[in-house]
Amino acid sequence: QKEVEQNSGPLSVPEGAIASLNCTYSDRGSQSFFWYRQYSGKSPELIMFIYSNGDKEDGRFTAQLNKASQYVSLLIRDSQPSDSATYLCAVTDSSASKIIFGSGTRLSIRP
Amino acid sequence: GAGVSQSPSNKVTEKGKDVELRCDPISGHTALYWYRQSLGQGLEFLIYFQGNSAPDKSGLPSDRFSAERTGGSVSTLTIQRTQQEDSAVYLCASSSGGAPETQYFGPGTRLLVL
Repeated sequence: QKEVEQNSGPLSVPEGAIASLNCTYSDRGSQSFFWYRQYSGKSPELIMFIYSNGDKEDGRFTAQLNKASQYVSLLIRDSQPSDSATYLCAVTDSSASKIIFGSGTRLSIRP
Repeated sequence: GAGVSQSPSNKVTEKGKDVELRCDPISGHTALYWYRQSLGQGLEFLIYFQGNSAPDKSGLPSDRFSAERTGGSVSTLTIQRTQQEDSAVYLCASSSGGAPETQYFGPGTRLLVL
């Protein structure tokens, strides 16, 4: 079992709709959770981090964390074509010494 | 301020040659990470430096890979006797080491081994 799992996609969502990206992780001791966006040919850039159960909102983005289910998600409201990218879920290991990345979900927003 | 920089941006080498990749982290960041990303894949952790502590080398794929960080700042990733499967984008990231750790990535070095 991979430490951080994501559906590779592609996930196709119409413009203006809500895009929902999901991630599960295996280390119950993980404390910090991150979502990165990576455009093709570019480096990852941090969108959000969350470390408490529940929801965290920032503009059109909402991160959701459920530690009991070892599940973290990212919701993008009012999706725009510029949101088309690969979204990487990342989790600190239980020692908090390194961050483990999932393989990413490719999101495509169709006009 | 300046972000994370990496050099070279692209490197083409022949199988069997050694290569050195450089990373300049954000000034004051104590943590530095190296990752490898093959085409269409996620990030593969290679090595992690935190301050003066011994580095976490658990992600290095073979003994052909090594890295050092001089003076707690610049880092060099060395790949000896390169193989075609080493072709990938090598990304460096740094963070302040605070909690939660948010990493800032450099632009990467695209390595092609012929």
